[in-house]
Amino acid sequence: EVQLVEAGGGVVQPGGSMRLSCAASGFPFSRFAMSWVRQAPGKGLEWVSGISSGGTTTYYADSVKGRFSISRDISRNTLFLQLDNLRGEDTALYYCVKPSSGGNWFDSWGQGILVTVSS
Amino acid sequence: EIVMTQSPATLSVSPGDRASLSCSASQSVSINVAWYQQKPGQTPRVLIFGASTRATGVPARFSGAGSGTDFTLTINSLQSEDYAVYYCQQYNNWPLTFGEGTKLEIK
Repeated sequence: EVQLVEAGGGVVQPGGSMRLSCAASGFPFSRFAMSWVRQAPGKGLEWVSGISSGGTTTYYADSVKGRFSISRDISRNTLFLQLDNLRGEDTALYYCVKPSSGGNWFDSWGQGILVTVSS
Repeated sequence: EIVMTQSPATLSVSPGDRASLSCSASQSVSINVAWYQQKPGQTPRVLIFGASTRATGVPARFSGAGSGTDFTLTINSLQSEDYAVYYCQQYNNWPLTFGEGTKLEIK
């Protein structure tokens, strides 16, 4: 069974930083690109960032480019998202998501971790 | 970045009737579109991928169609459990993008 367990959320001041992690199990982590998707309170889904299976290629939404950084540790089956220079509009539930083997649509979602940016 | 535009934002349909939800891409995405259902307090669940292929366990009353820039999710004979928010997503190009969602509510 695929499991994705996020950690590291909480409350941070504007301009601050936070690091999210996602512990993955139940599938060959090193063979899959991975992504983060977020959802602001009462709003829709927003894809945030993705990383290739080998970790050499990364992708970002324009809204977070230059402020967020995605990485992965294949030896620990863990995905990370470093959030810097946080803004109020970054307040959201952040989901770790796994794509299918047939394309970058998402067949497994973590439960999400809340990041609140507030002074 | 490819923009996915969903319409309408809210759709009111009676139980037992048919609902048609639209999603338009700002440029061609071939058939690389997925549809998700999200109920309050739950994580999204994939319904359709490849524009028209139902995911495992999805009832046959859900169907998807389209290619290029215009896509439709159709739900026949609406059941009470189908009232939710639906999102389309393109995965033809990075960055991946979602539509803003259509809320399907009971009429």
